[in-house]
Amino acid sequence: EIEVTQSPASLSVSPGERVNISCRASQGISSNLAWYQQRPGQSPRLLIYDASTRATGIPVRFSGSGSGTEFTLTIANLQSEDFAVYYCQQCGIWPPLFGGGTKVEIK
Amino acid sequence: EVQLVQSGAEVRKPGESLKISCKGSGYRFTSFWVGWVRQMPGKGLEWMGVVYPPDSDTRYSPSFEGQVTISADKSTNTAYLEWSSLKASDTAIYFCARTFSSSAVQFDSWGQGTLVTVSS
Repeated sequence: EIEVTQSPASLSVSPGERVNISCRASQGISSNLAWYQQRPGQSPRLLIYDASTRATGIPVRFSGSGSGTEFTLTIANLQSEDFAVYYCQQCGIWPPLFGGGTKVEIK
Repeated sequence: EVQLVQSGAEVRKPGESLKISCKGSGYRFTSFWVGWVRQMPGKGLEWMGVVYPPDSDTRYSPSFEGQVTISADKSTNTAYLEWSSLKASDTAIYFCARTFSSSAVQFDSWGQGTLVTVSS
């Protein structure tokens, strides 16, 4: 069965800095990957789909890259509202799986 | 505006049954698969399954196949998640969400979540 691994599990960042979150699939999934943000006490929100396409209303500071087995979510110029947990989801091989999440905390 | 409104928090005892709901509005309910995602306390997201409202076709993740039943009523624009015999390990927040791609696995709109607590 396919496995999805996110790293790091958590990181502390200062506002204004740049963040890179990695997502690795154990098998190739082409560009079939999505990223979600979940703020404390809220429902998840779709950020990126097809590895690099921003969802409607998502600020340009969020970007996604990668294909095959290696993917990256980049958040440029981190804002206070960006402190949250981020999940990748592989959508290329059944069953669809979420990564374990990356918690972005304020330094 | 797309909205998915879920039913309220539930408390049940082990062995009891439960059915929670998710009502869609602001879009054509019969044009999109609707799915369910589990989040256990302090843990990550788990993809459970999806239902296609026009014909109630369902797809389950192997981890949840046989453990829950997902259904939909297109006449009321409502999707459901049901358990016949709850376990303590079913304690979690359950989110419903609308899919948007032809693969019917990615979600672009989410409900507010329903907290299910199973305790004796």
